Amino acid sequence: EIVLTQSPATLSLSPGERATLSCRASQSVRSYLAWYQHKPGQAPRLLIYDASNRATGIPARFSGSGSGTDFTLTISSVEPEDFAVYYCQQGSNSLTFGGGTKVEIK
Amino acid sequence: QVQLVESGGGVVQPGRSLRLSCAASGFTFSSYAMHWVRQAPGKGLEWVAIISYDGSNKYYADSVKGRLTISRDNSKNTVYLQMSSLRAEDTALYYCARDYRAVAGTNWFDPWGQGTLVTVSS
Repeated sequence: EIVLTQSPATLSLSPGERATLSCRASQSVRSYLAWYQHKPGQAPRLLIYDASNRATGIPARFSGSGSGTDFTLTISSVEPEDFAVYYCQQGSNSLTFGGGTKVEIK
Repeated sequence: QVQLVESGGGVVQPGRSLRLSCAASGFTFSSYAMHWVRQAPGKGLEWVAIISYDGSNKYYADSVKGRLTISRDNSKNTVYLQMSSLRAEDTALYYCARDYRAVAGTNWFDPWGQGTLVTVSS
């Protein structure tokens, strides 16, 4: 099973700051990686797929990069509605999620 | 608009069975693979199962293989998760999710339903 390790576990930011979230895979997943946003009491939402493609309707402040084993989700300027938990997910071999990064208000 | 509504959750004793349903609307259901994903209390997301658009292919996480069965009825726009030999560790909020693209599929999940809660306890 491919294990995804997300860091940091918690990221404390003020609105307007840049957020950089990391996801590392235990073996190469090529570009088969997605990012999701999950707010309490709501359904998760797909943000990025194939490592760097924004899903339909996702604002341009969200961007993804990386390939192989190291991936990054960047929020260029955090908006109040962006405070949530973010998960990476690989689709290369079976399907697994990382443990999540909570982006909280500083 | 696309909508997924899960139902069938509840409290069930260990070893018993339960069937979850997910009713879809707002898109051509028979063209999309469907998934079940779960989240145990205080934990992260765990993929459970996938069924292809026509029901011909099904795959499961190792943790549920042999106990949980995914199926679909394209005439009713509904996907199911039959859960048997339930264990305490199956306690979770169960989400159904559509695959991001039709037919060939992508293994990305979008959109998701709001989930149905399954609690396995004596």
